[in-house]
Amino acid sequence: GAGVSQTPSNKVTEKGKYVELRCDPISGHTALYWYRQSLGQGPEFLIYFQGTGAADDSGLPNDRFFAVRPEGSVSTLKIQRTERGDSAVYLCASSYELEGPEQFFGPGTRLTVL
Amino acid sequence: TQLLEQSPQFLSIQEGENLTVYCNSSSVFSSLQWYRQEPGEGPVLLVTVVTGGEVKKLKRLTFQFGDARKDSSLHITAAQPGDTGLYLCAGPNNAGNMLTFGGGTRLMVKP
Repeated sequence: GAGVSQTPSNKVTEKGKYVELRCDPISGHTALYWYRQSLGQGPEFLIYFQGTGAADDSGLPNDRFFAVRPEGSVSTLKIQRTERGDSAVYLCASSYELEGPEQFFGPGTRLTVL
Repeated sequence: TQLLEQSPQFLSIQEGENLTVYCNSSSVFSSLQWYRQEPGEGPVLLVTVVTGGEVKKLKRLTFQFGDARKDSSLHITAAQPGDTGLYLCAGPNNAGNMLTFGGGTRLMVKP
């Protein structure tokens, strides 16, 4: 596709459930980022992949959050035992690092934990 | 930890007015980026400023990077309703592998 795509666009779940959020980056982009944006705030960094490996996961809030990128393209953000405080828009971005710091963002997945 | 503070948080103006949005930090950034985000969409890059004192223009938008590379401003001339949105500034960390975002300025331009 032409841009970063994320599925689902909206996810409503109950407290305690497990959720998976998917990101398809721009073809050829080696770097992939996950951010979380709470209502009325700017995005906050969660994790960065360079290829298949998580090069920096310092932004993950706790061990309920995990992300994978097994083939260096599609990434899945996994949240276990969801809490109401996890409700936010989860944004994915990708970049071709040799072209500088510009990141291209997807439309996000709005997660609501009831 | 590098922090970016944006002001004002909210701005509601009439079509045709001018406005300036500020992005400030106590840290030096190698570059700063400005994004615009509309409801239900991800941020879209408007501009990247790299050199201290640099001024970039994008139609009615003028971006300036502070001489010390700690702050930036966005000035919009003759605002239009289509300018409505959330304006975010962001800067890379030293490793260049993540962006730190400001809290954003939510702009509403009334016709």
